Parts: sequence; C-alpha cells; structure tokens
Amino acid sequence: KAGVTQTPRYLIKTRGQQVTLSCSPISGHRSVSWYQQTPGQGLQFLFEYFSETQRNKGNFPGRFSGRQFSNSRSEMNVSTLELGDSALYLCASSMGLVDGYEQYFGPGTRLTVT
Amino acid sequence: GIQVEQSPPDLILQEGANSTLRCNFSDSVNNLQWFHQNPWGQLINLFYIPSGTKQNGRLSATTVATERYSLLYISSSQTTDSGVYFCAVGNTDKLIFGTGTRLQVFP
Repeated sequence: KAGVTQTPRYLIKTRGQQVTLSCSPISGHRSVSWYQQTPGQGLQFLFEYFSETQRNKGNFPGRFSGRQFSNSRSEMNVSTLELGDSALYLCASSMGLVDGYEQYFGPGTRLTVT
Repeated sequence: GIQVEQSPPDLILQEGANSTLRCNFSDSVNNLQWFHQNPWGQLINLFYIPSGTKQNGRLSATTVATERYSLLYISSSQTTDSGVYFCAVGNTDKLIFGTGTRLQVFP
C-alpha cells in the first residue's frame, strides 16, 4: 500500500506571495492533518480534515487555510507569506480522527520564504 | 492545554549501549505514538501505544496511562538509530508533540 505523499517536496517563495501544498493520504484513510515544524516552535498542529470538514484548527492566523476533497486528498494554502512561515510542513493521514487513531506521516514539504 | 515533556533533550551514546527515553504528559490521552525523525525530516512510526507494552526488535515501549508517562527503550544502539525521537499524544481533537530527544550514536 502506498504511503502518504506530499508535493512539492521543496519550495522557495518571496514574502507576500501565496503557496499551496498538497497531500495525498493512504488509500482508505479519511483523516488528513497538517503540522508545521520549525526549529524554534517544534512540531505544531495546524488543522485536521475528516470527510471534507475541518474538525479543529491550531493556533495559527487566518492566512493558513486548507481543504479536503471527496477523494480525501488535502491542500493547504498560506497567503501573504512571511519570513516566519519558512518551515517543514508535514501532513499525516489516518483511518479515523487525529486524537484517536495511529497517524502516518508524509515526507514533508520544505518551504523557504525569502 | 495538555503539556508533553520529553527527557533527556540530548543523548550521546556509543554503539552497543542501551538507552531509555521518557515522555510525560499532563492530562489523559486517547492515543500515544513514538516517532523517529530521520535526517530528511520524515517521521517514521515506531509505536502506537496508548497503554501497555510493545516490542519491535531492539526497540520496546511502555505506556502507563494512569501515571501519564511513556518510555521508549533502545537496546544495543546502532549509528542508524541517530536522529530525533518524538512522542505525540492525542487529546481534544489534536495531536500534540513533545520537544523531542536528539540521539547521537557514535561507532
């Protein structure tokens, strides 16, 4: 069974631009959650989508948004990029809700904002 | 919100040594996982262990949910064990990560 895939793997953007990251979950998984990893803040929960609905959101500004499609693939969008958005963005998929089921992570998208 | 603390923050070992990593959490949790993050950033699943004990080769883990801690044991460490180990707990619709233990194993 194929694992979680994320595209693109690396991205360089300029301040003020916007970016869209994609995550394809393991086949049969209905939950996709997103995380931001930075050296200063560690791994932080961004949001979870289950059956195309956002269930919960972490403590991030409204510039961070996402959506999930009927095939469970998810996209995350960051608008008006800031230097502090440079990070490794990880997505995870699971059979059920994020706080009750084993999570499987993709390889991540490394975003650099200049 | 729930707090997740890992200790020690850094660990340096010689190949063949054993080690114990600890994860303390401040509230009841629905799940608990241990991950190994490789140098490329990928989080590798080690254990899904909300309670009890599991073993997988040289690695084993124990979670005592009533006392709010989990332990990860690494025996006969190898250089390929180097990296950062995270525990993560599921609570109130979120997965919360600890700050990690950075392990370096030297030959």
